Amino acid sequence: KNEVEQSPQNLTAQEGEFITINCSYSVGISALHWLQQHPGGGIVSLFMLSSGKKKHGRLIATINIQEKHSSLHITASHPRDSAVYICAPGSSNTGKLIFGQGTTLQVKP
Amino acid sequence: DTEVTQTPKHLVMGMTNKKSLKCEQHMGHRAMYWYKQKAKKPPELMFVYSYEKLSINESVPSRFSPECPNSSLLNLHLHALQPEDSALYLCASSQIWRRGVTTDTQYFGPGTRLTVL
Repeated sequence: KNEVEQSPQNLTAQEGEFITINCSYSVGISALHWLQQHPGGGIVSLFMLSSGKKKHGRLIATINIQEKHSSLHITASHPRDSAVYICAPGSSNTGKLIFGQGTTLQVKP
Repeated sequence: DTEVTQTPKHLVMGMTNKKSLKCEQHMGHRAMYWYKQKAKKPPELMFVYSYEKLSINESVPSRFSPECPNSSLLNLHLHALQPEDSALYLCASSQIWRRGVTTDTQYFGPGTRLTVL
């Protein structure tokens, strides 16, 4: 079993829809990161969470440490949100990021 | 300035060539990272430098040789690569890296797309 499981793997949405991407992990973490990667390569860090909830514009990230689960929500989705979203818990043991396989999101106009 | 720059953007090299990838940041970060990413896969950590010292080498073949000449610069020297080494090479930096301490936000460069013929 992978240390990090993301779902869904692929997601297609219509513009304006509310989107949720889930992440479950099995390792001890110091913080959990959500990353966004657009076609062409560049990775942007969206959130770093160690508890509770964070909001940035239309993006919301939540984490439940006891259940080892995090979610990324996108409200009022837009075609420019189309990207790969990666959940990456930071191991409390090694200090390394453990990357999920990513969720490929396509938002259609 | 929250930018990490990488040069070159694209690199094509033969198996007998020697080349270098360069990464630079001016955010005062003391941790820098090299990742390798194959198509449709997540990044794989290769090396971590902390305060200009190599802290993690993820059993990377010796044909990849990292170098951190100062706190702003990170190089990856390439020699005698194989076609399976073709990938996107990403550099990242963060304020600090320390085992057992919270993982800082990492700032990624745009990557160098390497093709080995």
